Amino acid sequence: AQSVSQHNHHVILSEAASLELGCNYSYGGTVNLFWYVQYPGQHLQLLLKYFSGDPLVKGIKGFEAEFIKSKFSFNLRKPSVQWSDTAEYFCAVNARAAGNKLTFGGGTRVLVKP
Amino acid sequence: NAGVTQTPKFQVLKTGQSMTLQCAQDMNHNSMYWYRQDPGMGLRLIYYSASEGTTDKGEVPNGYNVSRLNKREFSLRLESAAPSQTSVYFCASSAGTGEGQETQYFGPGTRLLVL
Repeated sequence: AQSVSQHNHHVILSEAASLELGCNYSYGGTVNLFWYVQYPGQHLQLLLKYFSGDPLVKGIKGFEAEFIKSKFSFNLRKPSVQWSDTAEYFCAVNARAAGNKLTFGGGTRVLVKP
Repeated sequence: NAGVTQTPKFQVLKTGQSMTLQCAQDMNHNSMYWYRQDPGMGLRLIYYSASEGTTDKGEVPNGYNVSRLNKREFSLRLESAAPSQTSVYFCASSAGTGEGQETQYFGPGTRLLVL
């Protein structure tokens, strides 16, 4: 069975700092990769996704992620965070051979101090 | 455009009570899902329905049942609620399982407290 691990449970940083959230998965086959964000009191929203092609994916709100197949990683980055980026971030993986079932990481809570 | 809607938003139950969580989507999606979200554990799949008329167990199905009422609606039932089922429940839908159709869209969630 596939699994997804997010290395940091909590991250605290100041506005304008750079953000990188780690995500690793365990599955040897072809995967689709996602990052979702959950702002306080809101539901999950898709930040970005990777299906195929360019391993550097750009999403909404200045976020990007890089798929490194050899490392089974899909790390999320943002060069300069804003207070409004305070949220919980979830990495998710869909193994194509497993249909459309998503496996989520445990989430990373990001607090951006003004 | 409503997307995925869920009712109720909040619910408090006593141990042993039953209830049904409702979910509907207006995007003409084929596939629908129920997840539970617990602190530090991300979202875990309870049940899913790849298409109208089919349902399958996910990672944590025990204590739950589902019904895919029609293409739009997918309900989750707790027959005899237990405190371990205190959680936030999310419904999601996707166009299908073909390439490019896998992106899931989530509802606002239902907060359930079982006393």
